[in-house]
Amino acid sequence: DIQLTQSPSFLSASVGDSVTITCRASQGISSYLGWYQQKPGKAPKLLIYAASTLQSGVPSRFSGSGSGTVFTLTISSLQPEDFATYYCQQPNTYPLTFGPGTKVDIK
Amino acid sequence: QVQLVESGGGVVQPGRSLRLSCAASGFTFSSYGMHWVRQAPGKGLEWVGVISHDGNTKHYADPVKGRLTISRDNSKNTLYLQIDSLRAEDTAVYYCAKEVTAVAGPNYFDYWGPGTLVTVSS
Repeated sequence: DIQLTQSPSFLSASVGDSVTITCRASQGISSYLGWYQQKPGKAPKLLIYAASTLQSGVPSRFSGSGSGTVFTLTISSLQPEDFATYYCQQPNTYPLTFGPGTKVDIK
Repeated sequence: QVQLVESGGGVVQPGRSLRLSCAASGFTFSSYGMHWVRQAPGKGLEWVGVISHDGNTKHYADPVKGRLTISRDNSKNTLYLQIDSLRAEDTAVYYCAKEVTAVAGPNYFDYWGPGTLVTVSS
């Protein structure tokens, strides 16, 4: 199985800050990686797919990069609505897997 | 607009069975692979399984293989998840999710239902 790890697990930041979350895969997955945002009590929301493609309707302050085994999600200028938990996902090899999540909290 | 709504959750005794449903609308259901993802209380997301658009191909996560069965009725635009021999560790919110594209390829999920909570407890 392809394991995904995320760092940090928890991140405290202020409105307007730029933050970066890293996702590492246990083996190369090319550019097959997605990022999701989840708020408490809600279903996850797709932000980015294919490592760097912004899903329709997602603000441009979200960006993704990487390939192979290391990927990043960057949120430039954090907004109040961005405080949430973020998960990476590998979509190409069964069993599909998610990273353990990174919680972005208000400082 | 695309809508997915799960139902069938509740409190169930260990060892019993449960069938969850996911009613889909707003898209051509029969064209898309559909997935189940679960989330235990306070934990992360866990992919459970997938069924192809025509129901002919299924894949399951190892921890649930043999106890979970995914099926679909394209005439009713409905996805199902049958869970047998329920265990405490099956306690979770169960989400159904739609694949982004109707063609074979990477399985990203662009629409999710609100989830249904299954609690396994005596």
